[in-house]
Amino acid sequence: GQQLNQSPQSMFIQEGEDVSMNCTSSSIFNTWLWYKQDPGEGPVLLIALYKAGELTSNGRLTAQFGITRKDSFLNISASIPSDVGIYFCAGEGAFGKGTLLTVNP
Amino acid sequence: GAGVSQSPSNKVTEKGKDVELRCDPISGHTALYWYRQSLGQGLEFLIYFQGNSAPDKSGLPSDRFSAERTGGSVSTLTIQRTQQEDSAVYFCASSPQHNEQFFGPGTRLTVL
Repeated sequence: GQQLNQSPQSMFIQEGEDVSMNCTSSSIFNTWLWYKQDPGEGPVLLIALYKAGELTSNGRLTAQFGITRKDSFLNISASIPSDVGIYFCAGEGAFGKGTLLTVNP
Repeated sequence: GAGVSQSPSNKVTEKGKDVELRCDPISGHTALYWYRQSLGQGLEFLIYFQGNSAPDKSGLPSDRFSAERTGGSVSTLTIQRTQQEDSAVYFCASSPQHNEQFFGPGTRLTVL
């Protein structure tokens, strides 16, 4: 099956800082997706990427689909306390192991 | 419109008993997925249904696990002879095609 490597596993930052996380795959993907999971909830889609090289923003979130089609990153600018949660990358039905983000007010 | 719903929200069972978990996907979504998530872990793929095609069962951990999708809509995940290591949150997701997935709230299964 698809192998997704997501890093970092966890991050602890101060409110207002920017955050970056990334994902690499062992094979080429046609779609990269980024989800956020709040405690006790199911994951919610944040950003979907469909073209190699595509850079997409959603508010303070920016994500890019790597040119090689084997990687993607997600940036969060000016973090706020409600950004806390687990962020997952996904593609072709497979999910990364997640990045746990903690924001210190 | 309604999102993905799952029932029950919580299930406590004794080791060795069978359990059934239900998923009602978003109407019109052709793809349906089951995942499980152990405490503090990522999402583990279990099974994927796409339209009338044969399901991708490659993620089912053992033959105690099975799933059906009736009429291309509702799905049931069945775990036979439950074990303590089956304890996890089981998520269902549906998708209009094989990409963007919309997740249900999950069923928390506890096997005593």
